[in-house]
Amino acid sequence: AQSVTQLGSHVSVSEGALVLLRCNYSSSVPPYLFWYVQYPNQGLQLLLKYTSAATLVKGINGFEAEFKKSETSFHLTKPSAHMSDAAEYFCAVSGRETSGSRLTFGEGTQLTVNP
Amino acid sequence: EPEVTQTPSHQVTQMGQEVILRCVPISNHLYFYWYRQILGQKVEFLVSFYNNEISEKSEIFDDQFSVERPDGSNFTLKIRSTKLEDSAMYFCASRLAGTGVGGYTFGSGTRLTVV
Repeated sequence: AQSVTQLGSHVSVSEGALVLLRCNYSSSVPPYLFWYVQYPNQGLQLLLKYTSAATLVKGINGFEAEFKKSETSFHLTKPSAHMSDAAEYFCAVSGRETSGSRLTFGEGTQLTVNP
Repeated sequence: EPEVTQTPSHQVTQMGQEVILRCVPISNHLYFYWYRQILGQKVEFLVSFYNNEISEKSEIFDDQFSVERPDGSNFTLKIRSTKLEDSAMYFCASRLAGTGVGGYTFGSGTRLTVV
């Protein structure tokens, strides 16, 4: 079974500041890990994914995340926040690909970017 | 860019009524999914569908729920007798075979309100 915990349901940063959204996972098998973003009234857009290749994963819009097995973490970062980054962010985990390959999501973190 | 299309975007129904949520996955995708998000809660897996049959379902997906791919393009979720607690945002997703779980494309969702 897999689960993820996102620390902080709301994060607020100033424009230009570092964004750090925290995610810890639990998995009985080597995990695949994902970050999704959801803008208001829109669907879930994949930001980046870890599938057992490089531990530092770069995604869209300047985001990146580092898989740390020893810490069971997959935190999302961006060096400089933009106003357009304001959205809800979801961490998700899956086991090895099977015909089903369900995603298990965290509770989400609402990111606010202040001018 | 190809999209997963969901209709309607909003649906209000009376408790006990049947509802059908519709999705048009990306045309060459082979795996199809339904997820839901109750307001203020995490995104939850409902069911996955492959090769015209359910490949995996969660404990949420009880006998009140069913899925169908009636015509090779649509993918539907039916709730036979809606309850107040079925009120949620329902997301459809699809992916190609062989792209791994990161190949999901999500629709924008249908907001179902049961009154």
